[in-house]
Amino acid sequence: SQTIHQWPATLVQPVGSPLSLECTVEGTSNPNLYWYRQAAGRGLQLLFYSVGIGQISSEVPQNLSASRPQDRQFILSSKKLLLSDSGFYLCAWKIGGGGGGLHFGNGTRLTVT
Amino acid sequence: RKEVEQDPGPFNVPEGATVAFNCTYSNSASQSFFWYRQDCRKEPKLLMSVYSSGNEDGRFTAQLNRASQYISLLIRDSKLSDSATYLCVVNKNNDMRFGAGTRLTVKP
Repeated sequence: SQTIHQWPATLVQPVGSPLSLECTVEGTSNPNLYWYRQAAGRGLQLLFYSVGIGQISSEVPQNLSASRPQDRQFILSSKKLLLSDSGFYLCAWKIGGGGGGLHFGNGTRLTVT
Repeated sequence: RKEVEQDPGPFNVPEGATVAFNCTYSNSASQSFFWYRQDCRKEPKLLMSVYSSGNEDGRFTAQLNRASQYISLLIRDSKLSDSATYLCVVNKNNDMRFGAGTRLTVKP
């Protein structure tokens, strides 16, 4: 069966510090991979998605970037965090080319101080 | 106009009630549709896919109306454990967009 791992679960970082969040999927090949952010009390904002190695579609930001160095690995990064980057970051996967839904990791709760 | 819109609620209903949520989407070329459930401070979990013909899973019924560009979720015989935020999701070419969610509280 497929599993998705996302870490760390919580993170407190000062403004201006770098960020690296990692997500890996097991048990499937060539998945579509996604990064979402959810601010407190708000909906999920799509940040990036990838349909293959090295293919990244960016929806939003600003000071965040994503990379997919391997088929089942998706990394979210920032060189300098802003206060507004605080939130719940969620990685998800779906079957590549399929019509199925997303399956989420447990999320990373980031607080920028 | 937002790509996916939902009534934020909250919906407060007694146990045993029937409750319905609607969600509208702006892109007529959207291809697939889903309902998710999110508990407080947890990741969203897939509840069900939504098809034009309508589909049912126990107490939950989902419906898609492509002509009017909305999807619905009906929950019958509400349980306390149904209390959560319900999110609709619209997919076009792997771009998966979430509504802001509708908060449901089922009370004894």
